[in-house]
Amino acid sequence: ELKVEQNPLFLSMQEGKNYTIYCNYSTTSDRLYWYRQDPGKSLESLFVLLSNGAVKQEGRLMASLDTKARLSTLHITAAVHDLSATYFCAVDPINTGTASKLTFGTGTRLQVTL
Amino acid sequence: EAGVAQSPRYKIIEKRQSVAFWCNPISGHATLYWYQQILGQGPKLLIQFQNNGVVDDSQLPKDRFSAERLKGVDSTLKIQPAKLEDSAVYLCASSFLYSYTFGSGTRLTVV
Repeated sequence: ELKVEQNPLFLSMQEGKNYTIYCNYSTTSDRLYWYRQDPGKSLESLFVLLSNGAVKQEGRLMASLDTKARLSTLHITAAVHDLSATYFCAVDPINTGTASKLTFGTGTRLQVTL
Repeated sequence: EAGVAQSPRYKIIEKRQSVAFWCNPISGHATLYWYQQILGQGPKLLIQFQNNGVVDDSQLPKDRFSAERLKGVDSTLKIQPAKLEDSAVYLCASSFLYSYTFGSGTRLTVV
């Protein structure tokens, strides 16, 4: 069974600081997704990483994928309050021969304080 | 393009009652998913359809949950009878190639 683990589960950080959220998964895959979820809202797609070494950046967020280590990171640069939300990574284990579907991590609740 | 449509947005029912949720995926997306998201957790896949056939329903509690996708387009998810632990947000998603799109979800409260 595919397991996707994120850490930390909860992150409180000050505005202007940098931090990294980690996503580890237990099977081979080169498809990793990052989503943002605001309270009471649905999932907003942030990044789709489709190969080893992939790096994508949007504003203060940068995501990377190391398929050999089965690890993805979401780096936050100079955090602002608007980034407060829950962040999920999700893995598509297409390489195992199973049908394409997403398995989600536990989520990281990010709180940016002044 | 239009997104994934879900209804209702909210539903409150008593335990042992039945409830149904509806999903209309993005036009042309052959694959449709139903996820259950319990408060404070990540979404968990309940069932996956490819066109109107079931691909994966291994985590669907089949004694109380059922789902169908008639004509390979719209889908309904039903719970009968509901339990307190079914309180969650039910998310519908559809996909094409590497792209997944999620609906706004139905928030179910069982009292």
